[in-house]
Amino acid sequence: DVKVTQSSRYLVKRTGEKVFLECVQDMDHENMFWYRQDPGLGLRLIYFSYDVKMKEKGDIPEGYSVSREKKERFSLILESASTNQTSMYLCASSIQGAREKLFFGSGTQLSVL
Amino acid sequence: SQKIEQNSEALNIQEGKTATLTCNYTNYSPAYLQWYRQDPGRGPVFLLLIRENEKEKRKERLKVTFDTTLKQSLFHITASQPADSATYLCALGGNNAGNMLTFGGGTRLMVKP
Repeated sequence: DVKVTQSSRYLVKRTGEKVFLECVQDMDHENMFWYRQDPGLGLRLIYFSYDVKMKEKGDIPEGYSVSREKKERFSLILESASTNQTSMYLCASSIQGAREKLFFGSGTQLSVL
Repeated sequence: SQKIEQNSEALNIQEGKTATLTCNYTNYSPAYLQWYRQDPGRGPVFLLLIRENEKEKRKERLKVTFDTTLKQSLFHITASQPADSATYLCALGGNNAGNMLTFGGGTRLMVKP
């Protein structure tokens, strides 16, 4: 089975800190995604990547950046964390375009104080 | 703007009954629709994909319908079990920039013994 691993289940950071969320997938998938999930708002796409060193903005990229130096790893970076970035962050991967099913990690619950 | 609506109120049903969840959308012409299951503290798990030219799809106790005229998908779980209790998300894709999925907010299903 495909495994998508997120480095932390829970993370507590202070306002202004630089935060790194790491995601690794083990099935050689081309596509990787970062979503955030908030009650009542569903999943919203932050960034995605179709290939190494390639990135595209999703619906809510402001305040975030990403890095994909290796095919299996996709990192989400909060340059200066703010309280409105407190959320559940979900990483996903897929084989081709989004038409293929997404495989999600277990998520990182980030609290910014 | 595109909008996907799922009943935000929890659906409570008795074990053995059929659960029916609804996904409505507006300002969108998706090429396909997916349903995911999400358990508390976990990432979503893919269940079914149905394309715009398909009316119905089945998988074991699950059945999905897709009515592009009504702009609605129905998700049925027959002979429901307490283990089916979870949040179910619909996601629409295709025919938009980047072929990205857009998720609904999800409906929580509670199956009581």
